[in-house]
Amino acid sequence: AQSVTQPDIHITVSEGASLELRCNYSYGATPYLFWYVQSPGQGLQLLLKYFSGDTLVQGIKGFEAEFKRSQSSFNLRKPSVHWSDAAEYFCAVGEGNAGNMLTFGGGTRLMVKP
Amino acid sequence: DGGITQSPKYLFRKEGQNVTLSCEQNLNHDAMYWYRQDPGQGLRLIYYSQIVNDFQKGDIAEGYSVSREKKESFPLTVTSAQKNPTAFYLCASRVGQGVNSPLHFGNGTRLTVT
Repeated sequence: AQSVTQPDIHITVSEGASLELRCNYSYGATPYLFWYVQSPGQGLQLLLKYFSGDTLVQGIKGFEAEFKRSQSSFNLRKPSVHWSDAAEYFCAVGEGNAGNMLTFGGGTRLMVKP
Repeated sequence: DGGITQSPKYLFRKEGQNVTLSCEQNLNHDAMYWYRQDPGQGLRLIYYSQIVNDFQKGDIAEGYSVSREKKESFPLTVTSAQKNPTAFYLCASRVGQGVNSPLHFGNGTRLTVT
């Protein structure tokens, strides 16, 4: 069965600093990978996704993520964090067959210091 | 504007009572999903429906029931058999059935059972 691990439950960064959120997955074949962001009391919004091709994918709000097969990782990065980026971030993995569901990681809560 | 509407945003119930959470979408999406979110556990799939009048159990379906009589609507009933119903519930939909079609989320319903 596929699984997703986000090792960091909480991360605090200063505004303007760079950010990297870690995501490791367990899956036999090439997975479909996603990052979602959730503001407090809200639903999830898709930041970016990886299906195939270029392993560095660009998303909304200045985020990017890199798929590294050898490390089974799909870490999310942003060069300069803004206070509005404070939220919870979820990594998710899905199988390639129609009808299969996404498996979500436990989430990483990002706090931004002024 | 198209989207997913979950109501109410906050719901309070006494233990032993059934309660129904509403989810309506006007995105013309075929597939709809219910997730439960608990702190530190990410999202766990309760039920999903790929077409009208059909639905499947997810990972944690015990104590829940759903119906899909209309394409736009996918209500979730939390029954008295659910041992720990207090949680944040998220409804989602996608245009197709494949995992490569991103999920669109509602803003959630926070259920508190005392």
